[in-house]
Amino acid sequence: KNQVEQSPQSLIILEGKNCTLQCNYTVSPFSNLRWYKQDTGRGPVSLTIMTFSENTKSNGRYTATLDADTKQSSLHITASQLSDSASYICVVSAYQAGTALIFGKGTTLSVSS
Amino acid sequence: NAGVTQTPKFQVLKTGQSMTLQCAQDMNHNSMYWYRQDPGMGLRLIYYSASEGTTDKGEVPNGYNVSRLNKREFSLRLESAAPSQTSVYFCASSDSIAGGTRNEQFFGPGTRLTVL
Repeated sequence: KNQVEQSPQSLIILEGKNCTLQCNYTVSPFSNLRWYKQDTGRGPVSLTIMTFSENTKSNGRYTATLDADTKQSSLHITASQLSDSASYICVVSAYQAGTALIFGKGTTLSVSS
Repeated sequence: NAGVTQTPKFQVLKTGQSMTLQCAQDMNHNSMYWYRQDPGMGLRLIYYSASEGTTDKGEVPNGYNVSRLNKREFSLRLESAAPSQTSVYFCASSDSIAGGTRNEQFFGPGTRLTVL
């Protein structure tokens, strides 16, 4: 069964600190992996997308990594800001009939001053 | 360019009432989706439309119907609302549903529905 598991479920860090969020998946055949950011009360917004051949991609202070062999991804946030407080959702795309996206349940990040 | 818009933003219904959630996109996307999001459950797919004129069930279709009115608009109808349908509903669109980078989904702001 195709699944996406994220950890931790929630995280609290101080402003200015770094943090790393994890995503493990069992999706086959794998197409690509995305990280979305969802602010409270808003819809998810895409941060990065990585295909099988990519193992690192950055978007400002956000850096995503992908290890297709171990089926793991991480999202590293550098020098966190209060505005980083949000839910971060890992989404894996498979080559399959019908809609191909499998969503993780998300990690809720709270950045405090 | 508004992206994906949804109406209404908030709605309170009584059990048994019906309503339609509206969604429109201006990105000329072929595919559209309806999700519900509940605490601790993540996003779950209700229905999707791969292209104009087609609709298919997702993971949790019971109690819902959809209409792909045209390429821009995709509506979700609750015929007889139940408290279990209290949730936040998101509409999304993408260029394609197939595997590959064209299936990046763009989400609307959501509709917060409470069924009493």
